[in-house]
Amino acid sequence: DLQMTQSPSSLSASVGDRVSITCRASQTIGSFLNWYQQKPGKAPQLLIFAASRLYSGVPSRFRGSGSGTYFTLTISSLQPEDSATYFCQQSYSAPENTFGQGTRLEIK
Amino acid sequence: QLVESGGGLVQPGRSLRLSCAAFGFNFEDFAMYWVRQVPGKGLEWVSGISWDSGNIAYADSVKGRFTISRDNAKKSLYLQMNSLRPEDTALYYCVRYSSSELIPSPFEFWGQGTLVTVSA
Repeated sequence: DLQMTQSPSSLSASVGDRVSITCRASQTIGSFLNWYQQKPGKAPQLLIFAASRLYSGVPSRFRGSGSGTYFTLTISSLQPEDSATYFCQQSYSAPENTFGQGTRLEIK
Repeated sequence: QLVESGGGLVQPGRSLRLSCAAFGFNFEDFAMYWVRQVPGKGLEWVSGISWDSGNIAYADSVKGRFTISRDNAKKSLYLQMNSLRPEDTALYYCVRYSSSELIPSPFEFWGQGTLVTVSA
């Protein structure tokens, strides 16, 4: 089975900071990697698809990069509303789309 | 908008049927999924169905027990869950896929979920 591993599992940063979350696939997945943001009590929302493409309406401070087995979600200037849990998800093995375990981002 | 219903408390071994009503988009143009989440934990895809029900997939954890279906005329998605186990306890999300087929694509839009609790 294709496994997705995120790091760190949690982090804390201040408003204005640049933060990065990584996602590693257990085998190469090309660019079939998506990122989601989930705020407490809410459903996940799509941020980035195809590794680096910004979904409609998502602020440009979110950026995705990577290919193959290593991917990064970067938030260039952290805002208070970015406090959330972030998940990566591979669709390479669709329909078996698997998720990373999540990264909880706290704003100091 | 996607609105799930049908969740609740059920005993192990019993059945439950989840429904998802779609509003505001051409339901028949999109594949659909059920994705579940144990509160405070990660996300697990459960089942997916193509736009015309021609392709269906299940996670190994539910294969043989759950059945996904859709009614495009009613703009609705369903999940029949039989032989429920305590480990099926989760919030179940109805999710619109960005493609009409079960091909590599993101999960584009999520409902708010319906909670299923399996306990004696």
